[in-house]
Amino acid sequence: NAGVMQNPRHLVRRRGQEARLRCSPMKGHSHVYWYRQLPEEGLKFMVYLQKENIIDESGMPKERFSAEFPKEGPSILRIQQVVRGDSAAYFCASSPNGAPINEQFFGPGTRLTVL
Amino acid sequence: DAKTTQPTSMDCAEGRAANLPCNHSTISGNEYVYWYRQIHSQGPQYIIHGLKNNETNEMASLIITEDRKSSTLILPHATLRDTAVYYCIVRVPSNTGKLIFGQGTTLQVKP
Repeated sequence: NAGVMQNPRHLVRRRGQEARLRCSPMKGHSHVYWYRQLPEEGLKFMVYLQKENIIDESGMPKERFSAEFPKEGPSILRIQQVVRGDSAAYFCASSPNGAPINEQFFGPGTRLTVL
Repeated sequence: DAKTTQPTSMDCAEGRAANLPCNHSTISGNEYVYWYRQIHSQGPQYIIHGLKNNETNEMASLIITEDRKSSTLILPHATLRDTAVYYCIVRVPSNTGKLIFGQGTTLQVKP
């Protein structure tokens, strides 16, 4: 059973471009979480999605950031008009159901660098 | 979710037990204690969780005090590969599922 997959692993964008980060959850997992880790800082929750639904987006910046988890295909975190402050590691996690008691399985992350 | 307090850093000799403490004095009756770790540049990894009974799995043991105000994660025979940041997280089961990470404890296992 493959783990959580994220791609690309490294992404370089210039200011003003768009960044698309993809996350494929573990097989059988229908819940996806996105976290961001700024340089030298801790992990911060961004958004929690189930198939076709955003459940909790309390950690998402109000502008330029969006996330989706379509019925088919990976979850996408989209950052429009990137700025240097968006440079960070973005981690995706999945769990088999919504019960918080279950552990979350994390992917290897996407390192975004904005030039 | 209850706030947790952990030491910023700890050292441990390779092959010895690593005991990582966590204080969660404001924990409520239905909150669980979770431990995750993050090895440098990798995604966090779940280790163990518990409510009030001590728990053990292939990675570690979790000891929760009787009043549940603190807990200790025990790595019985630490190896160099256990060098990581260890996070203690306390969660209410009714939450949406998000994890709130603090600063954690940086464990350095030394040869």
